[in-house]
Amino acid sequence: NAGVTQTPKFQVLKTGQSMTLQCAQDMNHEYMSWYRQDPGMGLRLIHYSVGAGITDQGEVPNGYNVSRSTTEDFPLRLLSAAPSQTSVYFCASSNPGPRGETQYFGPGTRLLVL
Amino acid sequence: AQSVTQPDIHITVSEGASLELRCNYSYGATPYLFWYVQSPGQGLQLLLKYFSGDTLVQGIKGFEAEFKRSQSSFNLRKPSVHWSDAAEYFCAVGGSNYKLTFGKGTLLTVNP
Repeated sequence: NAGVTQTPKFQVLKTGQSMTLQCAQDMNHEYMSWYRQDPGMGLRLIHYSVGAGITDQGEVPNGYNVSRSTTEDFPLRLLSAAPSQTSVYFCASSNPGPRGETQYFGPGTRLLVL
Repeated sequence: AQSVTQPDIHITVSEGASLELRCNYSYGATPYLFWYVQSPGQGLQLLLKYFSGDTLVQGIKGFEAEFKRSQSSFNLRKPSVHWSDAAEYFCAVGGSNYKLTFGKGTLLTVNP
């Protein structure tokens, strides 16, 4: 049971390049989310999904696309990278429930856009 | 809109001293409230959560938090801090567990 995995761990891009950050979970969780973390800003929600085929925007969605074709995977796509997207990206997953079920976070992907 | 305020950007305490990290939230209904801890270069680990019921919540590593609806607060406490508690702490609020709003974090330094 690996939990939430993210690849790559670190990436350097040039402005205008595209890339996909991978996120996978093996806990059969329905919910998955992407956050970005910037110094002094805490974590901000980019996109989230409540099940395969269902995605929605969070607080800071511009410049990012997502899709959820399977329960396990929730990739985050940067279509044309910008220096403002330099950040640490965290993927998280959880299940619904009346008891505030725990959201599990991946180890993060550190992205530098030059 | 939901929001979280962590008034203290950086706190320094001596090892063995007590600790209280403040968290104030804004949410229209009864919220889910969480405290997470992040060590340098690491992901987030859940310390504790509140969703309903008893307003005093016990977590891992000897931490506890109290939900005070009248004050819109969810402060984190520990009676005796250990050097290994040095990290950044985040409070989060939401109506669900997948759409959280985080505070900006409080960095805890522990002096020997």
